[in-house]
Amino acid sequence: AQSVSQHNHHVILSEAASLELGCNYSYGGTVNLFWYVQYPGQHLQLLLKYFSGDPLVKGIKGFEAEFIKSKFSFNLRKPSVQWSDTAEYFCAVMISGSARQLTFGSGTQLTVLP
Amino acid sequence: DSGVTQTPKHLITATGQRVTLRCSPRSGDLSVYWYQQSLDQGLQFLIQYYNGEERAKGNILERFSAQQFPDLHSELNLSSLELGDSALYFCASSPRLMSSTDTQYFGPGTRLTVL
Repeated sequence: AQSVSQHNHHVILSEAASLELGCNYSYGGTVNLFWYVQYPGQHLQLLLKYFSGDPLVKGIKGFEAEFIKSKFSFNLRKPSVQWSDTAEYFCAVMISGSARQLTFGSGTQLTVLP
Repeated sequence: DSGVTQTPKHLITATGQRVTLRCSPRSGDLSVYWYQQSLDQGLQFLIQYYNGEERAKGNILERFSAQQFPDLHSELNLSSLELGDSALYFCASSPRLMSSTDTQYFGPGTRLTVL
């Protein structure tokens, strides 16, 4: 079965710092990749997704992620974080051709200090 | 607002009881997914329905069941509740079943507390 690893459980940054959150998955076939964000007390919102094509994907709110197939990674980046980016970030994998359920990582709590 | 609605927002009940959580998908979406988010297990897929039929099962206990009705809303039934069932239950929907480009949109969740 596929799995998703997010090694950073809690990241604390100051405003304007650059962000990179790691995501690795274990599955040898074709996958679709997602990053979701969960703001305090809110539901999961899609930040960005990768299905095919350009491995550098741009999402909302200035976030981007790069799919590196050889490393089974899909790291999330943002050049300059804001206090409002404080949230929990989830990486998720969907196996192509499957019943489309998402397998989530354990999440990374990002705290941005003003 | 994702367009997916879930009721109730909060539910507090006792061990051994049975509860029903309700989800209405986005307009036009045929596929509904249920996920459980707990502190120890994280976010886990439970079950998927497409146009009224069960399509996939994940880590769903036998005490839990779900269904999708002709109007496409879905209900998740949890019975013989245990303390460990306390969690946030999310519903998500997507337009189709096997499209390679569909995205799942999540509802606000139902927070279940079992005392």
